[in-house]
This record gives sequence, structure tokens and C-alpha cells, in this order.
Amino acid sequence: DIVMTQSPLSLPVTPGEPASISCRSSQSLLHSNGYKYLDWYLQKPGKSPQLLIYLGSNRASGVPDRFSGSGSGTDFTLKISRVEAEDVGIYYCSQTLEFPVTFGGGTKVEIK
Amino acid sequence: QVQLVESGGGVVQPGGSLTLSCAASGFTFADYGMHWVRQAPGKGLEWVAIVYYDGNIEDYTDSVRGRLTISRDNAKNTVYLQMKSLRVEDTAVYYCARRGLILGHPIDYWGLGTLVTVSS
Repeated sequence: DIVMTQSPLSLPVTPGEPASISCRSSQSLLHSNGYKYLDWYLQKPGKSPQLLIYLGSNRASGVPDRFSGSGSGTDFTLKISRVEAEDVGIYYCSQTLEFPVTFGGGTKVEIK
Repeated sequence: QVQLVESGGGVVQPGGSLTLSCAASGFTFADYGMHWVRQAPGKGLEWVAIVYYDGNIEDYTDSVRGRLTISRDNAKNTVYLQMKSLRVEDTAVYYCARRGLILGHPIDYWGLGTLVTVSS
């Protein structure tokens, strides 16, 4: 199985400041079609997860442009350019390159 | 709009059985693969199973293979998760989720979840 490792575990942030979350996969997520099968989700408190980013860097419909994703075959980053209070929650990275789908352990973002 | 509504959760004893349902609406159900993903209390997300759009392909995480069975009824726009030989470690909120059609097939919609508690 592909192991997904996120850091940090917890990220206190100041509104208006940038934030960054890292995700590393145990093997390359680069598909033969040239795309990286890495997604980012946000689970707000008491809610279901919601898709933020797919294929490493594509924002899902309705996701604000302050969210961006980047990365190589095994190292990925989610950046929030200016954190807002509504961005608190747990962020998960996930790979869909192969089954089983696997998730990182999550990064809890909270306001300082 | 896309809606996924899970039902069937509850309290069951170890070794017992339960069947979860997920009613889908707001999209052409028969075009989409469907997942079950679970989240133990206070823990992260764990993928459980997938059934492809036509029901002909299924896959499971190893820890549930042989005990949980995913299926679907495209006429009823419903996906199921039959659970048997339940263990304490199966306790979790079970989410029904849609496999996106876009490249990469991300999980693009999630239900609200239904809680399964395995306890004596």
C-alpha cells in the first residue's frame, strides 16, 4: 500500500498570514499519463470532508484561489496564501493512483 | 445538487452484522463509481471499499476483505455496505462518497456519514 505522511500534525495560524502543509508518499504518484494522482481534502469541525485540490494542483469547483497545490512525484505541498477563519479544520492528502486509496494522517489547522 | 444520504448505522455486538445504505440524488448515479470511507472516533480517514459504476468491479481494504461487501442497485440509486463478523475496531463513522469522473478520479462528494458502534 502507498503510505502517505503529512506534516506538521498541528498548525496554528494567524488570519491573513500564509500557511503550508506537506505530504509525502512512499512511492511516486506520477501516472503514466503525466499527472500526479494526489488530492487534498478539508474536514471542517463536525462536517464531512470536502475536496479542495485534485491531480496535485487543480482546484475543485468553488474552492477559493487562496488555496494552491504543488509537488513532485512524492513530495507535495498545500499552500493557503492568506488564512481566513473559515479555513480551520483538518487537512488530508490522499492518493488515488492505486487501490487501496490511502490518506495522510491529517494536519489540524487552528487559529492562534 | 449532489446528495448522498447514509442510513443503517447503530450499535451491534462483536461478531454481529449490519447493512448500511446510501441513497444518491442530484446526478446520474449509474455513471459513477462509489466508495465507502470510514473514520474512527477522533481518528483520520480510512478507505474501505469501492464499487464501479456497473457493479462489476469491487475492491476492499485488506482489513475488511471477506467480512464487508459493497454492492449497488442502479435502479434505486443506492449503494450498500453489508457488514458481518464485526469487530470493535470497525467502530467508526461510515461515509458514502462519489468517485469523480474527472481525470484522477478524486472523491468529489461525501455524505454526512452514519455511525457504527461495535460494542458488547
